[in-house]
Amino acid sequence: AQTVTQSQPEMSVQEAETVTLSCTYDTSENNYYLFWYKQPPSRQMILVIRQEAYKQQNATENRFSVNFQKAAKSFSLKISDSQLGDTAMYFCAFQGGSEKLVFGKGTKLTVNP
Amino acid sequence: GAVVSQHPSRVICKSGTSVKIECRSLDFQATTMFWYRQFPKQSLMLMATSNEGSKATYEQGVEKDKFLINHASLTLSTLTVTSAHPEDSSFYICSAALQGYYGYTFGSGTRLTVV
Repeated sequence: AQTVTQSQPEMSVQEAETVTLSCTYDTSENNYYLFWYKQPPSRQMILVIRQEAYKQQNATENRFSVNFQKAAKSFSLKISDSQLGDTAMYFCAFQGGSEKLVFGKGTKLTVNP
Repeated sequence: GAVVSQHPSRVICKSGTSVKIECRSLDFQATTMFWYRQFPKQSLMLMATSNEGSKATYEQGVEKDKFLINHASLTLSTLTVTSAHPEDSSFYICSAALQGYYGYTFGSGTRLTVV
């Protein structure tokens, strides 16, 4: 079974600075997808970024980028120019052939003014 | 973009009663929907996979007779918590996938409180 591990329960960063959230996963599948979801205090799950495992190029979405290391099974999220609105829980998620999303336990990110 | 509407957003019910939560895909057809439960400060726990026109598939440890799931159309899935008890109080979230797209769109969640 796939597992997703987020080793940082909480992190904080100053506004305008850069922060990296860690995620590792375990799977025997070769084709899969990885995601970062944001859950602000409203509790609405919002897709931040996704990465197809067959793509070597790291995904980027504006201030959000990932460092995908397939061999190491690592999928970290970098947030540049952090904003107060980035304060939220961040969940790393894996999707393989079963269609189910497997979530990590989450990292609570606080952006300080 | 794909939007999933979930209602109600909050519900308070008395112990022993049943509560129905609806999840609708507004601008796409969802053959598969997922239901999650989230405890405070914890991650999402998958409860069941709902497939249109067939029985739901429940995760291990989830009581299928307590959490009834119906996926009668390509745009609507419902979760009914039957004979609710205070321990069923939680945040319930649904999600759906747009066919051919990897990753899911989530509803806004339902906070259930059983008193």
